[in-house]
Amino acid sequence: DAGVTQSPTHLIKTRGQQVTLRCSPKSGHDTVSWYQQALGQGPQFIFQYYEEEERQRGNFPDRFSGHQFPNYSSELNVNALLLGDSALYLCASSPIGGRAGDTQYFGPGTRLTVL
Amino acid sequence: SQQGEEDPQALSIQEGENATMNCSYKTSINNLQWYRQNSGRGLVHLILIRSNEREKHSGRLRVTLDTSKKSSSLLITASRAADTASYFCATAPNAGNMLTFGGGTRLMVKP
Repeated sequence: DAGVTQSPTHLIKTRGQQVTLRCSPKSGHDTVSWYQQALGQGPQFIFQYYEEEERQRGNFPDRFSGHQFPNYSSELNVNALLLGDSALYLCASSPIGGRAGDTQYFGPGTRLTVL
Repeated sequence: SQQGEEDPQALSIQEGENATMNCSYKTSINNLQWYRQNSGRGLVHLILIRSNEREKHSGRLRVTLDTSKKSSSLLITASRAADTASYFCATAPNAGNMLTFGGGTRLMVKP
């Protein structure tokens, strides 16, 4: 049973560019959340997708957008990259609509470096 | 923004000793969870304690929750070098399951 997978593992971009990160949830899970973790800090919630729609959003600008596909996989897109976007981007999945109290299962993350 | 603070920010102990980490949060919660992270990689779920529970055990882990003080503690007993990692508490609200994390405690267990 595959866990949460993310691609790519590492990514280097320059300021102003755009980036797409990908996530496949754990088998049987239909809800995907994205988190940004800056170096030395705890993860911060970006947004959550369920039934192919953004259901909740954290305090992130519109440069951060996402998508969920019918197979429940998800993409995170970041436009007009800033140096401050350099971080570890974590994807987490949870089952059956992500009810309050459900455990979230995290992927290994994508390390994005913006130069 | 971070939900709360974790204390201490860093902890260094010898193998076999116990490690205690504390977490405080600000708003009402459905549950509180503890995660471990090795070398800046993915988070591993350790334990979940619901708002109506006061204490929970899992192997060498013991978690307490005091909702009146909005605080939790994680105790790792008989620590091992393999326990070296960063530990994060995360709270889940009463609606939805987005997690709000603390800043983490970096634990080093020396052999």
